[in-house]
Amino acid sequence: DAGITQSPRYKITETGRQVTLMCHQTWSHSYMFWYRQDLGHGLRLIYYSAAADITDKGEVPDGYVVSRSKTENFPLTLESATRSQTSVYFCASSSGGAVTGELFFGEGSRLTVL
Amino acid sequence: AQRVTQPEKLLSVFKGAPVELKCNYSYSGSPELFWYVQYSRQRLQLLLRHISRESIKGFTADLNKGETSFHLKKPFAQEEDSAMYYCALSPHRGSTLGRLYFGRGTQLTVWP
Repeated sequence: DAGITQSPRYKITETGRQVTLMCHQTWSHSYMFWYRQDLGHGLRLIYYSAAADITDKGEVPDGYVVSRSKTENFPLTLESATRSQTSVYFCASSSGGAVTGELFFGEGSRLTVL
Repeated sequence: AQRVTQPEKLLSVFKGAPVELKCNYSYSGSPELFWYVQYSRQRLQLLLRHISRESIKGFTADLNKGETSFHLKKPFAQEEDSAMYYCALSPHRGSTLGRLYFGRGTQLTVWP
């Protein structure tokens, strides 16, 4: 069972280009999250969503845009990619948010910005 | 603001030795605390949460509110425990309710 899937798994792009990372979950979880993982910084929350059409900024939202038109999808868009956005991006979902529910993570999307 | 600190980036022990991964937090209220683990080539997954007071794979973690710590312990480490471990905090109330904040992680290596 896939549960939560991310695509693409690997992406190389150039500075200034727009990139969209997709996240899809099949559990109908209300909460969805985007994190980036960097050496020395661990996991940092970019954006999260408590339900369809409800999104909120996390710790490092600058340069990113999200949308949640459907419960199962939570795409992350880098409007104009920069080298500092080279990272591994993780999507996660939860039935009850972080307080009451466990977060389930995707396999990650490794993005390289040249 | 909330913060999670894991002071050790790397930790190495021999098989059978006790292991303790340190986690300290700062938060004005009473948070929920978690340990997540990422084994090589696997997804990040929940190891344990303080509210459950459970032992998973021989690991335990006690919340010490006085010291604002949530250290992860195991009396006898195994090679299969080698992984990246993240301590995480979830605010219990307020505008950030529902989010999960992670520390920088500790890479544990257990030598045979």
